[in-house]
Amino acid sequence: QVQLVQSGAELKKPGASVKVSCKASGYTFTTYGISWMRQAPGQGLEWMGWVSTHNGDTKYAQKFLGRVTLTTDSSTGTVYMELTYLRSDDTAVYYCARAHSSSWYIFESWGQGTLVTVSS
Amino acid sequence: DIVMTQSPDSLAVSLGDRATINCKSSQSVLYTSNNKNYLTWYQQKSGQPPKLLIYWASTRESGVPDRFSGSGSGTDFTLTISGLQAEDVAIYYCQQYYTTPITFGQGTRLEVK
Repeated sequence: QVQLVQSGAELKKPGASVKVSCKASGYTFTTYGISWMRQAPGQGLEWMGWVSTHNGDTKYAQKFLGRVTLTTDSSTGTVYMELTYLRSDDTAVYYCARAHSSSWYIFESWGQGTLVTVSS
Repeated sequence: DIVMTQSPDSLAVSLGDRATINCKSSQSVLYTSNNKNYLTWYQQKSGQPPKLLIYWASTRESGVPDRFSGSGSGTDFTLTISGLQAEDVAIYYCQQYYTTPITFGQGTRLEVK
């Protein structure tokens, strides 16, 4: 079955960077793209960007341009999300999600989430 | 950006009754060339990631109980849960994928009365 397993919780200081991993299994990795979303405590969902696991193409939300980088490693079936210049309002649970066969942006399977806390 | 607005923010429904959640987009998410509405619904239970329920506004994802149904077109959409069960307590989100940035509604909290 499809599984997305994310790396563990992180505590970072303002100005630092964080890199979260998302390891996929149970399907052919390069067939479906991966998006990243985040959810601040008690808040809704916010889409950050998408990466093609086939060729590494990316699309980012304007809000995160210049601060977020999505990369893939086909040898391990892992996608990475790096967010730089962290601020306190970046504190959130970060999710990776695999595309549905019908559309790149229907999110069929989700990782368990990674809590990133930004605090001095 | 397309703004998605859900109503109500929260609702309480008795077990076995119908729950109705509305979602309105700031512009149409109907792609006329294929006559498809680029609208999904997710369920998020406490402490869990979201779960896909409905896509193309009315197509139920595999394994989702048939008490969940989606309807609507253009800018106005509805998620209906017929015969509420205790395990349906969750926050429900609509999402448009007509264009990037992908955007979600603010969520509707569903509780048992």
